[in-house]
Amino acid sequence: EPEVTQTPSHQVTQMGQEVILRCVPISNHLYFYWYRQILGQKVEFLVSFYNNEISEKSEIFDDQFSVERPDGSNFTLKIRSTKLEDSAMYFCASSEFVGRGWTDTQYFGPGTRLTVL
Amino acid sequence: DAKTTQPPSMDCAEGRAANLPCNHSTISGNEYVYWYRQIHSQGPQYIIHGLKNNETNEMASLIITEDRKSSTLILPHATLRDTAVYYCIVIKSGSEKLVFGKGTKLTVNP
Repeated sequence: EPEVTQTPSHQVTQMGQEVILRCVPISNHLYFYWYRQILGQKVEFLVSFYNNEISEKSEIFDDQFSVERPDGSNFTLKIRSTKLEDSAMYFCASSEFVGRGWTDTQYFGPGTRLTVL
Repeated sequence: DAKTTQPPSMDCAEGRAANLPCNHSTISGNEYVYWYRQIHSQGPQYIIHGLKNNETNEMASLIITEDRKSSTLILPHATLRDTAVYYCIVIKSGSEKLVFGKGTKLTVNP
């Protein structure tokens, strides 16, 4: 069964450093998402991406964050200058389609645990 | 998207059916009911979704009341591996953002 994969599973970085979290969405999916979950808190939407553009983003997704689809398979989340409060699990998700009148199921990856020291 | 209300925790005996309720009294006609679960800190796992009709798949059944104001997720024969946080999410068709609440922590006991 196709699945979303994410690398690395755990990333430790120093405050102020840049990190790139990587995701390989399900191959025929067209919409890609990033969510995060701070320890003990809810899963929060960060951004959605379609057709090489950000489709929707939350207020959490500020100028420190960026997303990219550098090739036909990878989808990345970059945090330019990490802060202590960026420590969280980051989940990538993908869905086949989102259209007017219906929506499609989002499938999540296993997550990357980001620890900022 | 409509707000959902779920009990914070539930217990179930292994082998018995687990019935997880969700209230979504402000749901509108073009909003779907989705269920996900999260085991420990793993990625949310899709379980099932529906609009109006009851749905069944290999994992669970979803019962939606006729007025659509509430639903119940049924795990017919719960196992210890079903211990997880279960999220009921209402999402508008065409929307891209899942809004997770605190969910129901289901504990399946031996």
